[in-house]
Amino acid sequence: NAGVTQTPKFQVLKTGQSMTLQCAQDMNHEYMSWYRQDPGMGLRLIHYSVGAGITDQGEVPNGYNVSRSTTEDFPLRLLSAAPSQTSVYFCASRLNVDSTTGELFFGEGSRLTVL
Amino acid sequence: AQSVSQHNHHVILSEAASLELGCNYSYGGTVNLFWYVQYPGQHLQLLLKYFSGDPLVKGIKGFEAEFIKSKFSFNLRKPSVQWSDTAEYFCAGIPGGYQKVTFGTGTKLQVIP
Repeated sequence: NAGVTQTPKFQVLKTGQSMTLQCAQDMNHEYMSWYRQDPGMGLRLIHYSVGAGITDQGEVPNGYNVSRSTTEDFPLRLLSAAPSQTSVYFCASRLNVDSTTGELFFGEGSRLTVL
Repeated sequence: AQSVSQHNHHVILSEAASLELGCNYSYGGTVNLFWYVQYPGQHLQLLLKYFSGDPLVKGIKGFEAEFIKSKFSFNLRKPSVQWSDTAEYFCAGIPGGYQKVTFGTGTKLQVIP
């Protein structure tokens, strides 16, 4: 099993450019989410999804869009990148929406630098 | 706001020393709690989890954590650390019935040989 796959692993953008971070899982997980990790701030939830066609905002959603057209994929879009979005991004999934059923499985991370 | 807090930001220990990392949560009612580890350059991996039952939870690599409801705590312990335990450790929690997982700010552990 591949688990949770994120691409790209590294990306450098200029301010104002747009890009999409891809996330795919092959475990038939209902719940998927995006976090950003910044030094001293831990992981902060950007957006999450409880199933195909259903998404919601986390703690820090501004500047990011998501969609969930299939169970497997949950891309994160930066419409107009800003230096404040320089971070490491992690996609994570869980089997069920119900929180009592298990832990999050994480992708390898995507390191984004915005100049 | 419901949250998880870790008060130790950076811990330095010698090999064979005992470890205890603090984690407190602010949820009322039922709660699910986790400890994750992130080795340098890697993604987060689950160390252990608490859902219900025995409040003393044993995880991988000799780690354990104790859920103390009266103290709203879920501290991580290991009796004897190794150099290979050098990593960042995150406590995380989710109130029962909710969907979003909240992470603490992390504790960087450095083990000196």
